[in-house]
Amino acid sequence: KAGVTQTPRYLIKTRGQQVTLSCSPISGHRSVSWYQQTPGQGLQFLFEYFSETQRNKGNFPGRFSGRQFSNSRSEMNVSTLELGDSALYLCASSLERIPGELFFGEGSRLTVL
Amino acid sequence: KQEVTQIPAALSVPEGENLVLNCSFTDSAIYNLQWFRQDPGKGLTSLLLIQSSQREQTSGRLNASLDKSSGRSTLYIAASQPGDSATYLCAVVGNAGNMLTFGGGTRLMVKP
Repeated sequence: KAGVTQTPRYLIKTRGQQVTLSCSPISGHRSVSWYQQTPGQGLQFLFEYFSETQRNKGNFPGRFSGRQFSNSRSEMNVSTLELGDSALYLCASSLERIPGELFFGEGSRLTVL
Repeated sequence: KQEVTQIPAALSVPEGENLVLNCSFTDSAIYNLQWFRQDPGKGLTSLLLIQSSQREQTSGRLNASLDKSSGRSTLYIAASQPGDSATYLCAVVGNAGNMLTFGGGTRLMVKP
């Protein structure tokens, strides 16, 4: 069974641009969560989607948004990029069998210049 | 607001040593606690998940314990190997679905 797949793995953008990251969960998993990892702030929860609905949202500005499609694939978008948005963005999926039992992808490394 | 702290932030040990990583959390109302491993530039690999009703979990050379009342967990690694070198993260789940609160991690280096 394939794991969580994130694309692209690496990308470079400039300030003011926007970016879209994609996540394909493990087959059968309907919950998808997104996390941001930076050296200064560590791992922080962005949002979680379940059955195309946002179920939880972390403390991030409105420039960060996401959505989930009917096949459970998810995308997150960051608009008006800032230097501080440079981070590893991790996606995780869950079968909803045990609370918090998440399976993480390899991440998308975003560099903002 | 839940806060998770990991001590030490970094640890360097010779191969073969047994070691303990510590994790503490401020709110004892958790569903479970997990330990993850992260290799440089990679995603997270779940090592052990301890549900709130459990006191410990074991997998191979790894043993994790949970004391909810004191807000503490430890990860014990027996007979450490160079391949154990990585960052170890603990995370707790409260009452908000799959939202994990992570500690800052312990960066472990095991020297041959």
